Amino acid sequence: GAGVSQSPSNKVTEKGKDVELRCDPISGHTALYWYRQSLGQGLEFLIYFQGNSAPDKSGLPSDRFSAERTGGSVSTLTIQRTQQEDSAVYLCASSTDSLNTQYFGPGTRLTVL
Amino acid sequence: GQNIDQPTEMTATEGAIVQINCTYQTSGFNGLFWYQQHAGEAPTFLSYNVLDGLEEKGRFSSFLSRSKGYSYLLLKELQMKDSASYLCAGPPPGTDKLIFGTGTRLQVFP
Repeated sequence: GAGVSQSPSNKVTEKGKDVELRCDPISGHTALYWYRQSLGQGLEFLIYFQGNSAPDKSGLPSDRFSAERTGGSVSTLTIQRTQQEDSAVYLCASSTDSLNTQYFGPGTRLTVL
Repeated sequence: GQNIDQPTEMTATEGAIVQINCTYQTSGFNGLFWYQQHAGEAPTFLSYNVLDGLEEKGRFSSFLSRSKGYSYLLLKELQMKDSASYLCAGPPPGTDKLIFGTGTRLQVFP
């Protein structure tokens, strides 16, 4: 079956604009994760969903970041009033349940000018 | 919080064996994952150790000692395509998230 997909693959935006990043997990996967990876850095955990609920939002760096998941499937990560330090690759992963193997999407490369 | 330490870079020769170490705080994780990430691509799953000991999977093996907060990934018969970053990650107790190390960039030379 299809893997995790993310859109857009690349996004260039101006400082202060809002952006929405989308993740389509593998069908049937109940757990969904968002990570951020800056150039040459490891993955930084942002938020975890189990179904439509987000039991762990501890990694969201500020209140400009929010995420939702609907229908236990698609998730959207929204960054409001983007800043240059938000530039990174945003990766989404899904798994059959929490703490099981996570399968990653190709990521969205966000560039804030 | 949980600190995960990995060497930043390693080099090795095609056909050789390389061991990539990962250490973390012993108050630590319920198991340990290893992922491979080629430049510009998403991480892909390599192994998951939930119990102490060695897990072998083809050319790749992974070892875990929970009491020592130590894991390693062993790559045998290195191939050029093994040039990538190798990330170790673990779930802090009582959570469902993974904390990743910064990764070890492995370069394999002919």
